[in-house]
Amino acid sequence: SYVLTQPPSVSVAPGQTARITCGGNNIGSKSVHWYQQKPGQAPVLVVYDDSDRPSGIPERFSGSNSGNTATLTISRVEAGDEADYYCQVWDSSSDHPYVVFGGGTKLTVL
Amino acid sequence: EVQLVESGGGLVQPGRSLRLSCAASGFTFDDYAMHWVRQAPGKGLEWVSGISWNSGSIGYADSVKGRFTISRDNAKNSLYLQMNSLRAEDTALYYCAKDMGYGSGSYYARPLDYWGQGTLVTVSS
Repeated sequence: SYVLTQPPSVSVAPGQTARITCGGNNIGSKSVHWYQQKPGQAPVLVVYDDSDRPSGIPERFSGSNSGNTATLTISRVEAGDEADYYCQVWDSSSDHPYVVFGGGTKLTVL
Repeated sequence: EVQLVESGGGLVQPGRSLRLSCAASGFTFDDYAMHWVRQAPGKGLEWVSGISWNSGSIGYADSVKGRFTISRDNAKNSLYLQMNSLRAEDTALYYCAKDMGYGSGSYYARPLDYWGQGTLVTVSS
């Protein structure tokens, strides 16, 4: 089965740039999606297809994907960005495709 | 405004059954695939099942295959999850989520662009 690996935690000061990685075997060949989940709330899609943003998501959120690593970048981090972030791909290697989520990364704004 | 409202959760004994529902509004329900995703207390996200717009394509996580059944009623704008032979490890908050793909004949390949607030299922004796 396909595995996505995220760091458990990332810390950044307000105004700085946060980078959250998502590792997977040849993940650059897949479309990666990112979700933000604040405490007690449902996940929100913040980046899809590696680097596209849904309407309403600030331009501060961006993504990239190459080789074995996809990255979510949050520029000019704000206190309100503190949340858990999950990467996601589809594993279509079998007759029954399924969603794979990374383990999640807790972003702490210092 | 897209709204997804789950219901049907509760406390159930191991081995028993439960049926979850998700009422959808704010979009053309029968144009999109739908999914169930769960989150155990303090843990990460786990996809449970997905269903295409016309129920012609359905998928399950290995952890629930043979025990859970996803279905939908497009006339009622509703998604369902029938959960049988429940286990303690099925304890989680269950989210209903809309697929981003428009008019796709399959349940897979696109991200999940809207989520409900979830319904809590607790399996315990």
